Amino acid sequence: SAVISQKPSRDICQRGTSLTIQCQVDSQVTMMFWYRQQPGQSLTLIATANQGSEATYESGFVIDKFPISRPNLTFSTLTVSNMSPEDSSIYLCSVEGGNSGGSSSYEQYFGPGTRLTVT
Amino acid sequence: AQKVTQAQTEISVVEKEDVTLDCVYETRDTTYYLFWYKQPPSGELVFLIRRNSFDEQNEISGRYSWNFQKSTSSFNFTITASQVVDSAVYFCALSEINSGYALNFGKGTSLLVTP
Repeated sequence: SAVISQKPSRDICQRGTSLTIQCQVDSQVTMMFWYRQQPGQSLTLIATANQGSEATYESGFVIDKFPISRPNLTFSTLTVSNMSPEDSSIYLCSVEGGNSGGSSSYEQYFGPGTRLTVT
Repeated sequence: AQKVTQAQTEISVVEKEDVTLDCVYETRDTTYYLFWYKQPPSGELVFLIRRNSFDEQNEISGRYSWNFQKSTSSFNFTITASQVVDSAVYFCALSEINSGYALNFGKGTSLLVTP
């Protein structure tokens, strides 16, 4: 399985500022996903980020608020812009784990998450 | 519409009891994948199992077992002889071709195992 790291692990930010979250994978992966988990809630997909194409956003999430970069097959960033207290959540990146034959395993693994508090 | 339903919000059991977590899903795809994840109090999301729509064989891994029934669109998870360390939130999730294989999560079931 892929090993995924995220930075920062947590942050406390002021209203109106922006935070960029980094996701690093130890192997090349085609598909990366960004999820949000609001306090006490389930996970909701923000967007799918494939290298070489624009991120695809889910309903309710827009690029101006959550710009995503995917410069290569091992790295992605998610920016939470113009933050408000409602953005306080855990943000998680996930990747689809490939298998040794190069085809997809359709298993998805998650990073440890970034716990964001907006005051 | 909710694609993955975990009707049990919270379950509390005493150690060594068996417990089953229910998951019902909804999809029109013929090819899809079902997952279970564990989220302990520390917050990380731990992958437990993936099952594809063409494989209805039940699976057992130690104290964990999964019952996949396409006829009832269910993918239930049983923990045998539960332990305190099993206390966590468990999420069932669905992945479909039409969604680019992104995960659609249920609301989760919070399991508390007491000594």
